[in-house]
Amino acid sequence: KAGVTQTPRYLIKTRGQQVTLSCSPISGHRSVSWYQQTPGQGLQFLFEYFSETQRNKGNFPGRFSGRQFSNSRSEMNVSTLELGDSALYLCASSLPGRAFGNEQFFGPGTRLTVL
Amino acid sequence: QKEVEQNSGPLSVPEGAIASLNCTYSDRGSQSFFWYRQYSGKSPELIMFIYSNGDKEDGRFTAQLNKASQYVSLLIRDSQPSDSATYLCAVDAGGTSYGKLTFGQGTILTVHP
Repeated sequence: KAGVTQTPRYLIKTRGQQVTLSCSPISGHRSVSWYQQTPGQGLQFLFEYFSETQRNKGNFPGRFSGRQFSNSRSEMNVSTLELGDSALYLCASSLPGRAFGNEQFFGPGTRLTVL
Repeated sequence: QKEVEQNSGPLSVPEGAIASLNCTYSDRGSQSFFWYRQYSGKSPELIMFIYSNGDKEDGRFTAQLNKASQYVSLLIRDSQPSDSATYLCAVDAGGTSYGKLTFGQGTILTVHP
């Protein structure tokens, strides 16, 4: 079974631009979560999508948004980029429905650099 | 107080020894607990999860959970140099916290030959 895929793997943008990142979950997984990883803050939850609906959102400004398509693929968008948005953006897919232990499997990440 | 705290490390153990990684969490209602391994420049890889009090073993790895003490640990037996990585503890609060794992800052483990 193929793992989680993310595109692009690397991005360089300048302040003020916007960016769209893509995530394809493991086949059959319907939940996609997005995280930002930085050396200072570690891994922080951005949002989660299930059946094209955002069910949960972390403490990030409205410049961070996302969506999910009917095939469970997900995109996240960051508008008006700031230097502090430079990070590794990770998506993780899971097969929700269990009361406990909904394992999340991470993709390789997109390394975003904002200049 | 951070929601999920791990022993700060770095932790250095000789090859063949037992590495012990610890994690405490603040939300008493947390339901599931995960250990991820992250090699430098790579994404986190799931090693184990646990949600019942006690021990859970998988090969050289043992996860231990004590909900009363809000403590979860990971033991790595017969440590190998290939185990050198950052280990991340993650907590799922359950309920309406859909899809959200709260991570600790990670513990860097080095296994030296």
